[in-house]
Amino acid sequence: DAKTTQPNSMESNEEEPVHLPCNHSTISGTDYIHWYRQLPSQGPEYVIHGLTSNVNNRMASLAIAEDRKSSTLILHRATLRDAAVYYCILRRGDTDKLIFGTGTRLQVFP
Amino acid sequence: DAGVIQSPRHEVTEMGQEVTLRCKPISGHDYLFWYRQTMMRGLELLIYFNNNVPIDDSGMPEDRFSAKMPNASFSTLKIQPSEPRDSAVYFCASSLGGVNTEAFFGQGTRLTVV
Repeated sequence: DAKTTQPNSMESNEEEPVHLPCNHSTISGTDYIHWYRQLPSQGPEYVIHGLTSNVNNRMASLAIAEDRKSSTLILHRATLRDAAVYYCILRRGDTDKLIFGTGTRLQVFP
Repeated sequence: DAGVIQSPRHEVTEMGQEVTLRCKPISGHDYLFWYRQTMMRGLELLIYFNNNVPIDDSGMPEDRFSAKMPNASFSTLKIQPSEPRDSAVYFCASSLGGVNTEAFFGQGTRLTVV
């Protein structure tokens, strides 16, 4: 399964933008880039996904590199409630599998 | 819709006993996933179904684990016999379609085998 690489942890101050990077150099043409987050003691929660173009929704923005080998999840103004583990996932086009990696633990300070 | 519903939320059982975890996916969703989460191994995909048919069970750790989806609104994950190393949080998720859709997760079942 295609692998993603993320930093283990990142820190941010409240109300500042946060850029969470992800490398996926083995991505294939039909793989979608998905981001999920997991708050403490909860199940994973969908954040955003995309194929080639940048995407925006009410939670975040997803910036995808032109070669698709990396992407960045952007939280425009971090809040304390955004403290979670963020997972970058390649959902394979041929199998539809959703395989989680180790994720980035985001800490947000007041 | 109430979302993905898992039961029980917590289960404590003795080693050797049979354990059955239950999942009700969101109505109309045709994909269902079972995951296991531990501190050591993170979130592992155990098995997933498409239209009630098991597609890939390569993540099921041993023959002690089995999963069924008898209809579109219900799935079970059974462990028999259970062992202490099976202690984990088990999540069920469903999605409306495949690669271009989001998955919705349940709150999980925390299993403790003593």
